[in-house]
Amino acid sequence: ETGVTQTPRHLVMGMTNKKSLKCEQHLGHNAMYWYKQSAKKPLELMFVYNFKEQTENNSVPSRFSPECPNSSHLFLHLHTLQPEDSALYLCASSQDLRSTDTQYFGPGTRLTVL
Amino acid sequence: GQQVMQIPQYQHVQEGEDFTTYCNSSTTLSNIQWYKQRPGGHPVFLIQLVKSGEVKKQKRLTFQFGEAKKNSSLHITATQTTDVGTYFCAGRWDSNYQLIWGAGTKLIIKP
Repeated sequence: ETGVTQTPRHLVMGMTNKKSLKCEQHLGHNAMYWYKQSAKKPLELMFVYNFKEQTENNSVPSRFSPECPNSSHLFLHLHTLQPEDSALYLCASSQDLRSTDTQYFGPGTRLTVL
Repeated sequence: GQQVMQIPQYQHVQEGEDFTTYCNSSTTLSNIQWYKQRPGGHPVFLIQLVKSGEVKKQKRLTFQFGEAKKNSSLHITATQTTDVGTYFCAGRWDSNYQLIWGAGTKLIIKP
């Protein structure tokens, strides 16, 4: 499945580093999401964009900064992260923000913060 | 806030045995979706249930939505090694677009 791609697939960073995660969707969707997946916990929705406009920020710390330059691309800028931020970061897209839309996920970026 | 409780957390089965995972909400859902995540993979959409009492089948997988739209289940008949992974339910309320995810049930096939 190549509808939603994410780079890099793995990332190790120190707490003082700045890095960015990239997501691209090739499905013609209008909505894009960032999720955090930690072991033994439900997926946590971080940010939602619809037509490039942010519609949701679920109380995410400011060390995570999203950017959506167009409906096909989504970035997550990371700076001064903490070890507890280590997780799988998943990007997803859906056609719109309707209550019946299906979400399509990218392969994720496995982030380790040292 | 709204939550979806999913049980069990893990289920170990012999190949050929059946598997079931359950999701519950304290309030009425507008719909519920099921996803599968293979080891090392990402969630992949399986099905959406919308109607009260709805039952849908995909080969050996049977999905049910309760009459009160507060619970749902996924049943796999005669598990195979290809079924290994974590199964997630994700619910919506009040026609909101946000999915609230269960913690997942990991299906493990005993060697």
